[in-house]
Amino acid sequence: QKEVEQDPGPLSVPEGAIVSLNCTYSNSAFQYFMWYRQYSRKGPELLMYTYSSGNKEDGRFTAQVDKSSKYISLFIRDSQPSDSATYLCAMIGSGAGSYQLTFGKGTKLSVIP
Amino acid sequence: NAGVTQTPKFQVLKTGQSMTLQCAQDMNHEYMSWYRQDPGMGLRLIHYSVGAGITDQGEVPNGYNVSRSTTEDFPLRLLSAAPSQTSVYLCASSSIFQAGYGYTFGSGTRLTVV
Repeated sequence: QKEVEQDPGPLSVPEGAIVSLNCTYSNSAFQYFMWYRQYSRKGPELLMYTYSSGNKEDGRFTAQVDKSSKYISLFIRDSQPSDSATYLCAMIGSGAGSYQLTFGKGTKLSVIP
Repeated sequence: NAGVTQTPKFQVLKTGQSMTLQCAQDMNHEYMSWYRQDPGMGLRLIHYSVGAGITDQGEVPNGYNVSRSTTEDFPLRLLSAAPSQTSVYLCASSSIFQAGYGYTFGSGTRLTVV
């Protein structure tokens, strides 16, 4: 079992839809959880990060972490064509020497006008 | 504030040629790393460094060398290019004390080996 599993998609939704992107993980030591957005032919850019369990909201984006289920989600409300990108989840522990992120493989999202 | 700068953006090499991909950051980050990104494979770690003079291998180090003589620069050298090294190469950096807040990535080098 890989440490982080992410459905690669592709996922295609109409403009205005609510999008749900998910990752599961196996390492209970992970404490920080991140979502990256990567546009075509660009490097990944950090979208949101969350520490431990709970929700974090930033505009149309909400990140959720359920550590008991080892499951994280990114919700995009009122999706726009500009949200079309590949979304990667990433996570890391919090102990001394924790600087190596573990990434999911990414989900490719297309928002159709 | 430039962040992480990668050069060149595109490169075509012939099999057997060598070249160096450049990566520079201006955020005084201790941690720097190189990934390759291939369709369906996700990000795979090639080499990383936690400070000047300190480097270590990642998941797929064969065929690549790195050095870290300054905090700012972390070049990746392809010793003898092979078609299997056709990929997008991404450089990333972070503070080793704040890796939980994520890496900063460069925009990538798209390499084709023919």
